[in-house]
Amino acid sequence: DTGVSQDPRHKITKRGQNVTFRCDPISEHNRLYWYRQTLGQGPEFLTYFQNEAQLEKSRLLSDRFSAERPKGSFSTLEIQRTEQGDSAMYLCASSPEVGTEAFFGQGTRLTVV
Amino acid sequence: AQSVTQLDSQVPVFEEAPVELRCNYSSSVSVYLFWYVQYPNQGLQLLLKYLSGSTLVESINGFEAEFNKSQTSFHLRKPSVHISDTAEYFCAVSEQGGSYIPTFGRGTSLIVHP
Repeated sequence: DTGVSQDPRHKITKRGQNVTFRCDPISEHNRLYWYRQTLGQGPEFLTYFQNEAQLEKSRLLSDRFSAERPKGSFSTLEIQRTEQGDSAMYLCASSPEVGTEAFFGQGTRLTVV
Repeated sequence: AQSVTQLDSQVPVFEEAPVELRCNYSSSVSVYLFWYVQYPNQGLQLLLKYLSGSTLVESINGFEAEFNKSQTSFHLRKPSVHISDTAEYFCAVSEQGGSYIPTFGRGTSLIVHP
């Protein structure tokens, strides 16, 4: 098992552009999380999936953000009309079931210029 | 809703000295507790976890943490640190019986000096 994989690792985009990130969780992990981390802060929860169902979204997740997990496998996080405040590390994590630890990918660092 | 407080944003310490990184949580229900470590330019890795049973949990590289329910704490300790322990450490809590979403503290930067 290769762990949680995120692509791309780095993304630089101009303000107003749309970006999409991909996360491949550990196979057979039912739960998939998206977090955002800014400098000097811990990961902040954005949303999570149980299989293909998106069960909870944070208030941090504005209407410009959308996440999907078709077929309960990989997930995508799209940010539309990016703003400079969206610059952050976007982390994906997966876990096999409730009550167990989350396994993190290395993240996608987004810079909006 | 649960929350986590890591009181120290930065902890400098000399090599081979003991260290304690503090973590307090707030929750109205039973919780699971975790410590993660993040080395420079790497992802978060689980260091240790408390799910149930013994309140003292240990990692393979000499760290330990003790769950104290009355103090709502889960402090991380190591009796003798190495230069290689320099990293960011995050405490996390997830509430049992709810969505089990891990909530993280802001992190403590452990800086080990030679």
